[in-house]
Amino acid sequence: AQSVTQPDIHITVSEGASLELRCNYSYGATPYLFWYVQSPGQGLQLLLKYFSGDTLVQGIKGFEAEFKRSQSSFNLRKPSVHWSDAAEYFCAVYTGTASKLTFGTGTRLQVTL
Amino acid sequence: DAGVIQSPRHEVTEMGQEVTLRCKPISGHNSLFWYRQTMMRGLELLIYFNNNVPIDDSGMPEDRFSAKMPNASFSTLKIQPSEPRDSAVYFCASSLMDWGEVDEQYFGPGTRLTVT
Repeated sequence: AQSVTQPDIHITVSEGASLELRCNYSYGATPYLFWYVQSPGQGLQLLLKYFSGDTLVQGIKGFEAEFKRSQSSFNLRKPSVHWSDAAEYFCAVYTGTASKLTFGTGTRLQVTL
Repeated sequence: DAGVIQSPRHEVTEMGQEVTLRCKPISGHNSLFWYRQTMMRGLELLIYFNNNVPIDDSGMPEDRFSAKMPNASFSTLKIQPSEPRDSAVYFCASSLMDWGEVDEQYFGPGTRLTVT
């Protein structure tokens, strides 16, 4: 069965530091991958998506992610974190059936000043 | 565009009562999803509609849950009777894609349901 693993439940970084959030997927075919962000009390907002082509994907708010097929990973990165980036981040994979997305358990990012 | 609209934003009810959550998708979108988010189970897909037709309701937890989409601009999720374990945040999302396709889903702000 398809699955998404986000190994880090909670990450704390200092403002201005770089960030990498990990995401590993299990899916037999070419995956469609997404990163969403959820601010407190809000719905999920799409940061970026990968369907095909260039494996380095640029998103909104200065985020990028790199698809690595050999490692079954789609890690999210940002070179310099801002305090407003504090939120929960979800990786998701399209499972190929009925347009269903499978979400990871999320990584909560805390930013210290 | 106003985005996906959900109402109410917060609902507190007593066990055994009927609860109805409402969703207005983005105009022109033909796919609608209902999700439930809890600390224990994360984000779960409950049901997916395409062109107002329920395509996949395998995530609906039990018969107490029902969902309808009478037209392209409105959907409801009903819980009857409600139980404390139904307490969660319920999200509605919409997208412009046909069955079997995939694209960005736009999420509403959610309804926080508390059943006492």
